[in-house]
Amino acid sequence: SAVISQKPSRDICQRGTSLTIQCQVDSQVTMMFWYRQQPGQSLTLIATANQGSEATYESGFVIDKFPISRPNLTFSTLTVSNMSPEDSSIYLCSGTAGHPEKLFFGSGTQLSVL
Amino acid sequence: KQEVTQIPAALSVPEGENLVLNCSFTDSAIYNLQWFRQDPGKGLTSLLLIQSSQREQTSGRLNASLDKSSGRSTLYIAASQPGDSATYLCAVPGGMISSGSARQLTFGSGTQLTVLP
Repeated sequence: SAVISQKPSRDICQRGTSLTIQCQVDSQVTMMFWYRQQPGQSLTLIATANQGSEATYESGFVIDKFPISRPNLTFSTLTVSNMSPEDSSIYLCSGTAGHPEKLFFGSGTQLSVL
Repeated sequence: KQEVTQIPAALSVPEGENLVLNCSFTDSAIYNLQWFRQDPGKGLTSLLLIQSSQREQTSGRLNASLDKSSGRSTLYIAASQPGDSATYLCAVPGGMISSGSARQLTFGSGTQLTVLP
């Protein structure tokens, strides 16, 4: 299994500012993903974090709003840029590991935008 | 496009009761199905993963079954405890993925379980 550390665990931010969320994995994972969970809803995939190259974004998500880095196999960041109250959600880092391959999650970042 | 549905959306039971959570998916050509637990405001914990060739998986008081042909999975929790209170989500790969990886899962909306002491 993989242990995924994510920080901050929660933050309250002002409109128009940006927040960077960090994700550290204790072992090498095959792939890393960022999900968003809006209040009362299930998880929606934002993007796949690719090592050393630009992330692959899902429909409805763009790099200017959610820049993602993955400089090595065990670390990734997600930035929520120019935040608005609609960005208030839980943001989750995840990675695939093991055989058969499973998806493991970080503890999440609960973001509130005022 | 794969769609995953979970019913009921919420469930409240007295401690000690056995219960079943349901998950259905529209595209039966899945490689596996995974059940997760989510505590309020927290990330997800993987509970069980069932491969498409399997019919069920067990872990402690949890038993998950898979019927690919009907597009259904159930999570059975025996002798429920207040500590089981959480949201339970099922997830499947977005479509047939020959590599069998867990990437790009499609999640159900979850069943919020409350076990009353």
